[in-house]
Amino acid sequence: TQLLEQSPQFLSIQEGENLTVYCNSSSVFSSLQWYRQEPGEGPVLLVTVVTGGEVKKLKRLTFQFGDARKDSSLHITAAQPGDTGLYLCAGVDGTASKLTFGTGTRLQVTL
Amino acid sequence: DTAVSQTPKYLVTQMGNDKSIKCEQNLGHDTMYWYKQDSKKFLKIMFSYNNKELIINETVPNRFSPKSPDKAHLNLHINSLELGDSAVYFCASSQERPGTDTQYFGPGTRLTVL
Repeated sequence: TQLLEQSPQFLSIQEGENLTVYCNSSSVFSSLQWYRQEPGEGPVLLVTVVTGGEVKKLKRLTFQFGDARKDSSLHITAAQPGDTGLYLCAGVDGTASKLTFGTGTRLQVTL
Repeated sequence: DTAVSQTPKYLVTQMGNDKSIKCEQNLGHDTMYWYKQDSKKFLKIMFSYNNKELIINETVPNRFSPKSPDKAHLNLHINSLELGDSAVYFCASSQERPGTDTQYFGPGTRLTVL
C-alpha cells in the first residue's frame, strides 16, 4: 500500500510568515499533484510536478518534486488569510491509473 | 455552470437504509471517480469509470455499487448503510486517466448514518 505522509498536520501562522509543507513516501510516483480544499468544497488542483527535481512557482507558492520522485514540498512566502485551507498532496501511480492522497495539512493564516 | 455537480449535498439516514448519490459532469470528460473523505480528512479513491467501464474498484464493500448510465453521469448506490459509512463522498472527473491530467471535484455529499 502506498502511503503519503504530510507534515505538519496542522499549522497556524500569522499573515506575512513563510511556511513549508512536506509530503513524503517510500514509493516512487510518476507525478505528484498538490490540491487545496476549502470547507464545504472539493479539492482544487494547484499544480502537477512530473520530473524529479522539478520546481514550479505559482505566485507566492513554490512546489518541488524530490529527485527520486518519492517526496515533495510546498513553500508559501508571505502567507495571507486567503491561503487558509487543507493542502493535500497526491501521488500518481501511472500503472494503476489512480491518485493516492496524502494525510493532509490544515493551514490557518490569521491577521 | 457547475462543472461537476452532486446531489444531495447532505444526506442523513438511519442504519440499514439504502441510499443513492448522483453525480453529473458537463466537461465532456471520459473518466469519473468516487472518493470517500473520512472525519480526519483522509481522501481515498473508491471507484473509477472510463467511458462507462469500471477500471478501479478499491476493496470497497459490495454494499457500494456504482452505476454509469452514460459518460456524464456516475451514481453511487449504498445498501444496508452502516455507521462507518458516515463521511463526505466526492465525485470527480478528468479527461483521461490520472497522470498529468487535472481531476475536477464536485462539492461533496456529507452522509450521516444514525
